[in-house]
Amino acid sequence: GAGVSQSPRYKVAKRGQDVALRCDPISGHVSLFWYQQALGQGPEFLTYFQNEAQLDKSGLPSDRFFAERPEGSVSTLKIQRTQQEDSAVYLCASSLAELAGETQYFGPGTRLLVL
Amino acid sequence: GNSVTQMEGPVTLSEEAFLTINCTYTATGYPSLFWYVQYPGEGLQLLLKATKADDKGSNKGFEATYRKETTSFHLEKGSVQVSDSAVYFCALDRGSTLGRLYFGRGTQLTVWP
Repeated sequence: GAGVSQSPRYKVAKRGQDVALRCDPISGHVSLFWYQQALGQGPEFLTYFQNEAQLDKSGLPSDRFFAERPEGSVSTLKIQRTQQEDSAVYLCASSLAELAGETQYFGPGTRLLVL
Repeated sequence: GNSVTQMEGPVTLSEEAFLTINCTYTATGYPSLFWYVQYPGEGLQLLLKATKADDKGSNKGFEATYRKETTSFHLEKGSVQVSDSAVYFCALDRGSTLGRLYFGRGTQLTVWP
């Protein structure tokens, strides 16, 4: 009966390094979302998957950000050549269906610090 | 466009006090509205939601009513407890099949015994 899990929980990267953040959604959930939460702010949408299809990536801030969900389950958010402004908490959420009003279940987040 | 405006925090209350956290929104279409809560050291959890105008969401003594005429979804609780100390986020979706959420900035609530 696990919820959404994310790993690692904390990541320190040197500027210019590539990082990969993993999300394990709730089993059977069709929709998967990534959000970025800066300190003291609300989460901001990054990208959305329905099964393995990436239907919306309009929130990705630059082409250094890339997300995939190849088998419609686990998802990875990759950030290439990290910059200090990438420091934030990255949240993953999943929901059972792609319906308005559907509850999104959030993971604990990965806190990324870029030095 | 779509956006959510929450009252600025932090909010500090004594136990058993009445709580209101204001939330207003701008949206196209017919959004669903949500309150999420983030307890210290934990992830975001859904507190309550309402999917159409005049609906009232409620959970754990918290309530919020979807008011289309005032584009508001204010969170209320009659008697807060120390355990309610957390950050509260108001959010909306676009009311279509694409369920991305738009969040407010969050309101920090601290309840003292």
